[in-house]
Amino acid sequence: AQSVSQHNHHVILSEAASLELGCNYSYGGTVNLFWYVQYPGQHLQLLLKYFSGDPLVKGIKGFEAEFIKSKFSFNLRKPSVQWSDTAEYFCAVKAYGSSNTGKLIFGQGTTLQVKP
Amino acid sequence: ETGVTQSPTHLIKTRGQQVTLRCSSQSGHNTVSWYQQALGQGPQFIFQYYREEENGRGNFPPRFSGLQFPNYSSELNVNALELDDSALYLCASSSGLAGGRNQETQYFGPGTRLLVL
Repeated sequence: AQSVSQHNHHVILSEAASLELGCNYSYGGTVNLFWYVQYPGQHLQLLLKYFSGDPLVKGIKGFEAEFIKSKFSFNLRKPSVQWSDTAEYFCAVKAYGSSNTGKLIFGQGTTLQVKP
Repeated sequence: ETGVTQSPTHLIKTRGQQVTLRCSSQSGHNTVSWYQQALGQGPQFIFQYYREEENGRGNFPPRFSGLQFPNYSSELNVNALELDDSALYLCASSSGLAGGRNQETQYFGPGTRLLVL
């Protein structure tokens, strides 16, 4: 069965520190990849997505992610975090050709706490 | 804001009761997906509706059922509620199935928090 793994469950950083959140998935075929963010008290929002083409994708608020097909990874990065980046981050994968073609498979999330 | 709305925002039910949750999709979107998010977990796919038909289902029992209406809004019905059904229920809308199945981006509503006592 397909799965998504986020290795960091809780990350604490100081403002201006660099961020990298890991995401790995298990599926040998073609995938669409997403990072969503859930700020405190708000709904899930799309940060960025990868469908095809350049494996380095840029999203909102200075976030970027790199798809490395050989490693089944889609890690999220930001060079300098701000206090307002405090939120929960979810990696999600949609697998081509699976029977549940509408299905997004989510990781269990990473809670990021940025200290001012 | 995504334009996806859900009602109610919160709900308390007792074991064995039935519940109906509602979702209005974003303008221009014809596909609705439902997810269950337990505390501390990522969302889990329940099912998706496209053109009023179920278009894929996750690992949820038949007491979880849904509907999509001609205006693309949707309902999630859960019968015989169990304590483990307590969760945040998320609705997501998309237009990818019309524009290309492999280019689907789902946009989420605020969710309905269900507590089963």
